[in-house]
Amino acid sequence: AQKITQTQPGMFVQEKEAVTLDCTYDTSDPSYGLFWYKQPSSGEMIFLIYQGSYDQQNATEGRYSLNFQKARKSANLVISASQLGDSAMYFCAMSSTGNQFYFGTGTSLTVIP
Amino acid sequence: DAGVIQSPRHEVTEMGQEVTLRCKPISGHNSLFWYRQTMMRGLELLIYFNNNVPIDDSGMPEDRFSAKMPNASFSTLKIQPSEPRDSAVYFCASSLGIINSPLHFGNGTRLTVT
Repeated sequence: AQKITQTQPGMFVQEKEAVTLDCTYDTSDPSYGLFWYKQPSSGEMIFLIYQGSYDQQNATEGRYSLNFQKARKSANLVISASQLGDSAMYFCAMSSTGNQFYFGTGTSLTVIP
Repeated sequence: DAGVIQSPRHEVTEMGQEVTLRCKPISGHNSLFWYRQTMMRGLELLIYFNNNVPIDDSGMPEDRFSAKMPNASFSTLKIQPSEPRDSAVYFCASSLGIINSPLHFGNGTRLTVT
């Protein structure tokens, strides 16, 4: 069965510090995609970063990087130099065969000034 | 690229009334998804379409919910009759339908059933 697990309901980070949001996944498909989304208090879902199961290097997008450890089935999001505007809900998601998407329960990140 | 367009942004209705939510996916995207988000249940997949065909509707709560996609540029989610427990934010999302293609979400419809 396909599953995404986010074990941190809430996280706090000091402004300008780095923070890691955890995500583990479970799938038997050899080909899959891993995504992170940000949902600020205004409610929209914003795509942040993508990692493919065959990608050798960790994905990076500006201050976001995805720490992909395939053997551990983890896809943690690292946000460097946190800003107040990073305070939001963050969702990890996986796509697999049949174009089905699976979402985790989310982690609420609060950046402290 | 206008993004995924949902309407209305907000809907307030009385219990028992019919509610229709609308979605226009991104042009060229062939997969469309309807999600519901509540504090209690998080983000739930209701149904998704590939090439206008419903592929998985196992998340549709009950027969009161129905979804259609008459063409590649339009989809509706209908609730008839509506109940207070249907109050939620309903998101529509579209993608290119391949594994490395992210979902692009609309801004959602906040539904309140009184």
